[in-house]
Amino acid sequence: QSALTQPRSVSGSPGQSVTISCTGTSSDVGGYNYVSWYQQHPGKAPKLMIYGVNKRPSGVPDRFSGSKSGNTASLTISGLQAEDEADYSCCSYAASYNYVFGTGTKVTVL
Amino acid sequence: QVQLQESGPGLVKPSQTLSLTCTVSGDSINSAGYYWSWIRQPPGKGLEWIGYIYYSASTYYNPSLKSRVSISIDTSKNQFSLKLSSVTAADTAVYYCARDSPERRFDSWGLGTLVTVSS
Repeated sequence: QSALTQPRSVSGSPGQSVTISCTGTSSDVGGYNYVSWYQQHPGKAPKLMIYGVNKRPSGVPDRFSGSKSGNTASLTISGLQAEDEADYSCCSYAASYNYVFGTGTKVTVL
Repeated sequence: QVQLQESGPGLVKPSQTLSLTCTVSGDSINSAGYYWSWIRQPPGKGLEWIGYIYYSASTYYNPSLKSRVSISIDTSKNQFSLKLSSVTAADTAVYYCARDSPERRFDSWGLGTLVTVSS
């Protein structure tokens, strides 16, 4: 199984919106509504931000949202804030009880 | 609130077996519906799922690592463990243990432990 494809980096000014794409196949992203997104600050463990394509865990700000169309999932951060600068990785459940992660995207707040 | 803590050697020689243990607190590893995973991240690279185990000891592994991986569980100690055999420098990574909750989400993670493969 190959890693899901994400852009290497995205950037935006405070208050703007950025969207990160996550492209897979019909055997993972397109086949299941089990896409999750993780935020990771340098030297820290990943933190769950979105699960089930578009659900937010308790405590995650509502400016984080997720969606999916076909084999591509997306994470949108609205009203970008300085603390949102981090690496973001998508993850999808895949056929045969597997998981596959994305290549990771660095979000820079200008 | 569940907490996970990885432990094990930080340095392993090439061709040897990497062994790590994850100790779970604040939740029973016997909880139905929860799986217990190992995930790794090579320096400067993305996350890679290694495999998971259920309290019944059922296991599922990443096909690319399946021939070298073994995950076990000790419910009496509330721990689960990872063994990765025949390691090479490519196995150098931060290794995380994580809880896989209903709806297929990794909602709790350990802090991670760096394992370096070097002679």
